[in-house]
Amino acid sequence: QVQLVQSGAEVKKPGASVKVSCKVSGYTLTELSMHWVRQAPGKGLEWMGGFDPEDGETIYAQKFQGRVTMTEDTSTDTAYMELSSLRSEDTAVYYCATQWQGIFDYWGQGTLVTVSS
Amino acid sequence: EIVMTQSPATLSVSPGERATLSCRASQSVSSNLAWYQQKPGQAPRLLIYGASTRATGIPARFSGSGSGTEFTLTISSLQSEDFAVYYCQQYNNWPFTFGGGTKVEIK
Repeated sequence: QVQLVQSGAEVKKPGASVKVSCKVSGYTLTELSMHWVRQAPGKGLEWMGGFDPEDGETIYAQKFQGRVTMTEDTSTDTAYMELSSLRSEDTAVYYCATQWQGIFDYWGQGTLVTVSS
Repeated sequence: EIVMTQSPATLSVSPGERATLSCRASQSVSSNLAWYQQKPGQAPRLLIYGASTRATGIPARFSGSGSGTEFTLTISSLQSEDFAVYYCQQYNNWPFTFGGGTKVEIK
């Protein structure tokens, strides 16, 4: 059974960056395809990007290109998502989720990122 | 980008009744369609994938159907724990996209 445990809530000022972590247990990170999905308050789900096992590369939604970086530390089985140049519209809950054949089957508990001056 | 449209936005149903939720894709996604359930303050949970295959541990009262551009999630007899928001997601083409959600509320 895969378990994903994310880092705690963050409050950031506009223009700053945030880095959210996602610790994997039950499997190793190399066995998984990790993705990130966000949800603004009262809104729906928005895919941000993740690892494409077919190409062996990380792919990002066009909306976040240039502002988001997803990395992995296989020595600690921890995935990271860093979003820069934050603005108020980036206030959201950020989820890590494992992807299997396109399906998001396991999810972290979510990390609330609040962007406010 | 494939746009996923869910209807209705809100569905009011009495416990024990059937709920039928719709999801439409802007172009064909074959059977590469998943459904998720999300309760307040919780992460989404995978219910259905491949348009009609229940995920592990999902009760038989949840069923999915459809292919191409039209899909349906049916909850045959609503239980108290089923009142939640439901999202569809296509995984036929990058970027994977979600519908806007249907909230199933108690009538």
